[in-house]
Parts: sequence; C-alpha cells; structure tokens
Amino acid sequence: QLQLQEAGPGLVKPSETLSLTCTVSGDSINSSTYYWGWIRQPPGRGLESLGTIYYTGSPYYNPSLKTRVDMSVDTSKKQFSLKLSSVTAADTAIYYCARHIVMAASAIDLWGQGTLVTVSS
Amino acid sequence: SYELTQPPSVSVSPGQTASITCSGSKLGERYVSWYQQKPDQSPLLVIYQDIQRPSGIPERMSGSNSGNTATLTISGTQALDEADYYCQTWDTPTVVFGGGTKLTVL
Repeated sequence: QLQLQEAGPGLVKPSETLSLTCTVSGDSINSSTYYWGWIRQPPGRGLESLGTIYYTGSPYYNPSLKTRVDMSVDTSKKQFSLKLSSVTAADTAIYYCARHIVMAASAIDLWGQGTLVTVSS
Repeated sequence: SYELTQPPSVSVSPGQTASITCSGSKLGERYVSWYQQKPDQSPLLVIYQDIQRPSGIPERMSGSNSGNTATLTISGTQALDEADYYCQTWDTPTVVFGGGTKLTVL
C-alpha cells in the first residue's frame, strides 16, 4: 500500500538541528510527476510548507525559512529528509511529509501521518 | 510573498450548502487545491486544479476559481463534513496555504 512514514526525534533542544526522514513505500520515488515535501502545523494552528524537493535533488524552500532549511533525497533508500537548524520553541509542531503533484500547482495527494516535534530544553 | 485569505469560521445547517472562500491577488490565474482536516488526522485532498475531485471524494464537494476568489462548495452538508478546510496554491518557489476555515455543522 502506498504510504509515507516520518521518523525522527520527538524532542529537540533549542539552538540544535531538527532532523526528520520520510520513507516512501508502495511506489517509486523516481517520478517526474511528483515533488516530495515537508509541511508543519503548530498545535492548534494552520499549515506551513517548509519546502519541496524533486527526485533529482533540486530543492525549493519557503523563503521565510530558507536560511535554516536543508532537504535531500536518497533514491536508493526511497527516502527524503529535512534538516531545520537553530530551532526555537516556535518550531514546535506536527511535521508531515507529503507528495506533491507537479502539474497541479503542487497539490498534495498523499500525506504522512505526521510526527510531533517539541523544542524544549 | 503571496497570501491566501480565508474566513476563520463558517456555520451551516445540516442539508444546506456551505461555501468557503479563499482570496488572493489574481487567484483565478493559478490552480487552487482544497484540503479537509479532522481532529488528530492528516489533511485530505478534496479538490485540486480548481475543480477536480480525487477518487473517493463525494460529488457534493465542488470547487470554483475566478478573479480573486476560489470557493469550495459543499452541497447537502452532513455532520461528517465538520472539519477545518485549507486552500492552497503555488507561488514560486513555495507552496502557499490559506489560514484555514473551521466549518461547523449546527
């Protein structure tokens, strides 16, 4: 069954780097039809995209987070990853990995279940 | 940066039609998607490319987009439609979301 699964620490200390990985199962990550992306949602608040990445490794980052975000893709492992540096309490959120349809203005047709990351000492 | 504006809340009676708007500059020139999110669940795509429904989404959900406003319309609203709804588009180099609308079925 096609699905995305996030993995990574649920607790990160302030000023450190948040690292998450998303594993794609049931389908190929090497598709020109899709981007792969990360979206977050602070508790009780709305959705924010951190960025997207193509299977070739070309990233597109949210300008408001650009200096702190790094995304990569490992096609051999069918995984893509997120690193967010210099985190603060404001980065506490549910982090979702997602599949975006390139030709549909990046509509997201597949979401991971989400993982809560808390920034606290 | 590009912004999408949604009303924070919309209320509707069961069986009636709910309309949720999403506003942005010349939004009609961009594709818009809509997502439904229920408590403790991941968002679900309900409309993409303004008017297209993914497989499994009921016909009573429809979309439109013209001028500066996109609209998600839910006909014959049911209690199970109560959720948060988000609009979304692309503004190079990033995905943009509206702030979300809480739909209450009274």
